[in-house]
Order: sequence, then C-alpha cells, then structure tokens
Amino acid sequence: AQSVTQPDIHITVSEGASLELRCNYSYGATPYLFWYVQSPGQGLQLLLKYFSGDTLVQGIKGFEAEFKRSQSSFNLRKPSVHWSDAAEYFCAVGSVRSNDYKLSFGAGTTVTVRA
Amino acid sequence: DAGITQSPRHKVTETGTPVTLRCHQTENHRYMYWYRQDPGHGLRLIHYSYGVKDTDKGEVSDGYSVSRSKTEDFLLTLESATSSQTSVYFCAIRTVSSGANVLTFGAGSRLTVL
Repeated sequence: AQSVTQPDIHITVSEGASLELRCNYSYGATPYLFWYVQSPGQGLQLLLKYFSGDTLVQGIKGFEAEFKRSQSSFNLRKPSVHWSDAAEYFCAVGSVRSNDYKLSFGAGTTVTVRA
Repeated sequence: DAGITQSPRHKVTETGTPVTLRCHQTENHRYMYWYRQDPGHGLRLIHYSYGVKDTDKGEVSDGYSVSRSKTEDFLLTLESATSSQTSVYFCAIRTVSSGANVLTFGAGSRLTVL
C-alpha cells in the first residue's frame, strides 16, 4: 500500500526567508510524486510532479522539490517566500499502474507567512 | 478547473437524509475520483471510476455509493447522511501534464450534516 507522511503540521516563516516542507512516502516501487497547494477556500493546484529522470524538479511559483530514493523523501523548497505563499501544501504519491491510477495524500502542512 | 463542475457547492442537511453530489466534466476524461478532505487527514479517496459503469472503492468508501452512467458525470451518494460525513468533497479527473498523468481537482463541495 502507498502512503505519505508530512511530519510538520504547521510552519511559520518570515516573508523573504526560505521554506522547506518535508514529505516521506511509502511505496513498493518507483513512485509518482506530487506537491499540491490549496489557498484558503480554494481547490487544489498542482505545484510540481516527479515521474522519472532528474531528481530535482521545478514547479510553478518558484517552487522546487528533490526526490531522494534512499530517504524515501520528496521535500519541497522555495528560496524566498512571498506573503501569497501562505496556504496548505499537500504531498501525494501515485501508483504507477495506469489501469489502477490513484493518489494518496499526506495530511498537509499549513504555511503561515509573517511580515 | 479543467472543465470540472461540482454541484452543489454548499449543502446543509440533517442526519439520516440522502445526499447526492454531482461532478461534471466537459473533456471526456476516462478516470474520475471522489475525495473527502478533513483537518488532520488531508484528502482521502472515497471511490473512483475508470469508465462508464466501472467504479471501485477507495480507502474510506463505507457509507458512500457512486454511479457513472455517462462519461461526463460521476455522482457520489450518501444514502443516509451522518455527522461524520460532514466534510469538503473534491472531485478530480485524470489529465495529462507534460506527458504525465496528474489529477486535476474541482472547486469542492462543502457538506454539513446536522
């Protein structure tokens, strides 16, 4: 079974500071990995994804994530946070089999940005 | 939202009443999903569909049923709503982004069961 752990429930960061959100997954093979963001009262927007190849992936809004197979991790980073980055962030792992494709999500990390 | 419409967007109902949430898509995608979102749990898969009349259970399917009689509509039914089913429900479709399968989500339906 696939699963995701996001160890940090809530992170507070100052505007302009760097941000790193942790994600650990459990999956029996090479996973598909995703980060989604949810602004208050909104739906989920895909930030970035990893399927294969380069382990450092770039996404929208200046975010990047690094896949580390040895640590079963897919941490999300941003060098300089903007106030608009305040949101909830979800890491997800997907099954590889195309005829049984579904995502499992972590519990989420809420990011607060202080001025 | 990639042509996904959820209805109703907000609903308040009483315990024991039936509730149906509708997900409508306009782009002929084969795979559709229903998730629920609750604080501390993230999103959990309720049911999904891989074609007309083809559905399967997710991790939290008890108390829910689904139907898909045509490609564009995926219905989630709570036969007898309970307070534990108060949640935000998200529909998703499987789309392709840069050659890879991803899920694209609707705006959500907030259900309150009193």
